[in-house]
Amino acid sequence: GENVEQHPSTLSVQEGDSAVIKCTYSDSASNYFPWYKQELGKGPQLIIDIRSNVGEKKDQRIAVTLNKTAKHFSLHITETQPEDSAVYFCAASTGGGADGLTFGKGTHLIIQP
Amino acid sequence: ETGVTQSPTHLIKTRGQQVTLRCSSQSGHNTVSWYQQALGQGPQFIFQYYREEENGRGNFPPRFSGLQFPNYSSELNVNALELDDSALYLCASSRELGAQYFGPGTRLLVL
Repeated sequence: GENVEQHPSTLSVQEGDSAVIKCTYSDSASNYFPWYKQELGKGPQLIIDIRSNVGEKKDQRIAVTLNKTAKHFSLHITETQPEDSAVYFCAASTGGGADGLTFGKGTHLIIQP
Repeated sequence: ETGVTQSPTHLIKTRGQQVTLRCSSQSGHNTVSWYQQALGQGPQFIFQYYREEENGRGNFPPRFSGLQFPNYSSELNVNALELDDSALYLCASSRELGAQYFGPGTRLLVL
């Protein structure tokens, strides 16, 4: 089955700087890659997703890039703010959803004031 | 538009008991997926229901079972509870088999 590796496990950045979180996946059939933000005591919140026919997608301060050849995808957050502090998860699926989403282990992003 | 809701928010059970967790999908969504999230880990896929039928299953034993109702709400049932079943149980709904939106979860503690 699919295996998703996520790095780093903890990332501390100064407010206003950029943050980058990286994931690799193992199943070449995966074609849908969402990113979730989870705050303490809450369920994961979908922040951005990308499909394999697209190399990059941007939404305001958040962008995701996908390299299908290398089987890795990354989340980029620019101009970080205190409210960006949370645990971020990457995930992969074959898009039909029949096998659900396979998640990475998460990155705890800490924004230092 | 109402988001995904789950009940109860917390519950405590003892080993060997049975539990039922409930999920109401977001308006317009007909697919519900269930995940188990252990402390400090990413969610793990349990199974998915699409138009009232099981549409896929992760690596969980048969004592984890589910239902989806005509209004697309869903239940997760766990029999013969084990200590390792203690976790946050998350429900996610989607339109057809698209992007999944999660509820707040039910925290289960098995003693």
